Amino acid sequence: VQLVESGGVVVQPGGSLRLSCAASGFTFEDYTMHWVRQTPGKGLEWVSLINWDGSSTFYAASVKGRFTISRDNSKNSLYMQMNSLRTEDTALYYCAKDKTAAGYYFDSWGQGTLVTVSS
Amino acid sequence: EIVLTQSPTTLSLSPGERATLSCRASQSVSSYLAWYQQKPGQAPRLLIYDASNRATGIPARFSGSGSGTDFTLTISSLEPEDFAVYYCQQRGNWPPLTFGGGTKVEIK
Repeated sequence: VQLVESGGVVVQPGGSLRLSCAASGFTFEDYTMHWVRQTPGKGLEWVSLINWDGSSTFYAASVKGRFTISRDNSKNSLYMQMNSLRTEDTALYYCAKDKTAAGYYFDSWGQGTLVTVSS
Repeated sequence: EIVLTQSPTTLSLSPGERATLSCRASQSVSSYLAWYQQKPGQAPRLLIYDASNRATGIPARFSGSGSGTDFTLTISSLEPEDFAVYYCQQRGNWPPLTFGGGTKVEIK
């Protein structure tokens, strides 16, 4: 299993960003996928999940209405569109594979992509 | 939202000693709790799921127990590579999926 995130940059408050995660080594369409973020101050925070076909998505309250998770099974890719970014969204963002189709544990993680929201 | 409280914040032990880490949930999560290990500069690694099941490739010195609101991760005899930060995570009552604040196991 390999998960490779990209797209993290420095962005101004109020700005937008799209994160990507390229998956390989497993049957991508069989699994729920997640975004999890980590900050020194707040530790690990689950951000969002998407089921195997993209028909069901869930979000943490802190990002609901601003972030949109999506996937393209034909490209083995996961995405996170991040709008109206705030300084508190500054974090290392991990793409994580669910342990099963919908077990809601994370058994594989990427190395993360750093998002910095600052003026 | 389920709040997970981990204790202690830091555990100072020597190699070969037994480590006992605690995770307490603000309400019952049944047995739907996992433990992760994170080393500096690395992503977390799944150790235990459903409170007591070892993930693939995890050594037998790692064990988990508990149900409801009180959970324990035990490392029976610390190896040098076990010094790290450990997090618990629940899926018993979601969304959101939540993590504890972590316990750092450091070399005494």
